Amino acid sequence: AQKVTQAQTEISVVEKEDVTLDCVYETRDTTYYLFWYKQPPSGELVFLIRRNSFDEQNEISGRYSWNFQKSTSSFNFTITASQVVDSAVYFCALGSGGSNYKLTFGKGTLLTVNP
Amino acid sequence: KAGVTQTPRYLIKTRGQQVTLSCSPISGHRSVSWYQQTPGQGLQFLFEYFSETQRNKGNFPGRFSGRQFSNSRSEMNVSTLELGDSALYLCASSLVGYTDTQYFGPGTRLTVL
Repeated sequence: AQKVTQAQTEISVVEKEDVTLDCVYETRDTTYYLFWYKQPPSGELVFLIRRNSFDEQNEISGRYSWNFQKSTSSFNFTITASQVVDSAVYFCALGSGGSNYKLTFGKGTLLTVNP
Repeated sequence: KAGVTQTPRYLIKTRGQQVTLSCSPISGHRSVSWYQQTPGQGLQFLFEYFSETQRNKGNFPGRFSGRQFSNSRSEMNVSTLELGDSALYLCASSLVGYTDTQYFGPGTRLTVL
């Protein structure tokens, strides 16, 4: 069975601080996909980033970066120089078994960026 | 390209009634998944449709059903509503579903009184 754990329930930072959201996953599949989604108060889940299990290269996209480590089953997400508009709930999700249409989500981390 | 659209955005029903929610996927996407989001259980997978066939179903009672039309639009139906069915229902679409990225709609917030 798949499982995603986001240990941080809530994080509060001041604007321009860097913030890292933690995600730990469990799966028996050797090929899987990891995602981060953002859910602002409007409710829509917005796709942010995706990482395949066979590619451990970490990347940076604008203010977003991620650290994928298979050895510790972690997929952490960092926002650099946070902004008030980054305030939202962030979800880590796992797609495995060739069925990304059935994602397993973590409970989410509420990020509040204060001015 | 237009995103995933869901109608209606808000619904208020009473216990025992039934409800139908609609989802239009991104043009060209053939896989449509439905999720239920509640404060207690978080985001849970309901079911997924591809080419008008249900490929997978989550652990929900038979009161929850769905269908997909030839244009890939999908509907989900909840019969005999219970208070616990109050939730945000999210629809997501992807190209064919296997290794694709899902894109979500704005959701339908259902309140059962």
